[in-house]
Amino acid sequence: EAQVTQNPRYLITVTGKKLTVTCSQNMNHEYMSWYRQDPGLGLRQIYYSMNVEVTDKGDVPEGYKVSRKEKRNFPLILESPSPNQTSLYFCASSPRRMGLGTGEKLFFGSGTQLSVL
Amino acid sequence: DAKTTQPNSMESNEEEPVHLPCNHSTISGTDYIHWYRQLPSQGPEYVIHGLTSNVNNRMASLAIAEDRKSSTLILHRATLRDAAVYYCILSNTGNQFYFGTGTSLTVIP
Repeated sequence: EAQVTQNPRYLITVTGKKLTVTCSQNMNHEYMSWYRQDPGLGLRQIYYSMNVEVTDKGDVPEGYKVSRKEKRNFPLILESPSPNQTSLYFCASSPRRMGLGTGEKLFFGSGTQLSVL
Repeated sequence: DAKTTQPNSMESNEEEPVHLPCNHSTISGTDYIHWYRQLPSQGPEYVIHGLTSNVNNRMASLAIAEDRKSSTLILHRATLRDAAVYYCILSNTGNQFYFGTGTSLTVIP
């Protein structure tokens, strides 16, 4: 089944403890992206990647890192999480390099609910 | 980045048509108009998209104003499963796009 898989689904951690949220897609998509969703703020883009080893900042990249060493994986890394990073996180992928910019669809994962205490 | 404006919430009776509006007065000529919806406890899912002409698919129709400054997502017969938050999004070749807070649709049985 074609899908975007995020893990874990729920994560509770403490301030300063490094964590990684994994994202994997099995559709051979070139474009991948991370979003966070907060009440009243909608979905905001954190980082995106147009291909292997190509990543760029979205609207809210501070406090996050990403890597794209393989086409299928796009992990989100929080090196020193803080309480203001408590949020619902979504990974998404799209077939073409430009994602929605060429009219392509985005396929989303089921989300990761992160709580930083 | 081009932004969109949508009503915070709308209601519809089951099996009636629903027209969800979206204003995007700063749209540029290369911006696609996309609609996604987010069911409770799920990630957003694609509904429809278009550039200039009206579009139809099995889920919905997209009506785009002639000046492209607004669009309307039409659900022809609302069902309880259509209760969701609907996002109107603009995208361009710069790969930046804005989801906003969307319209929360309530379907009344």
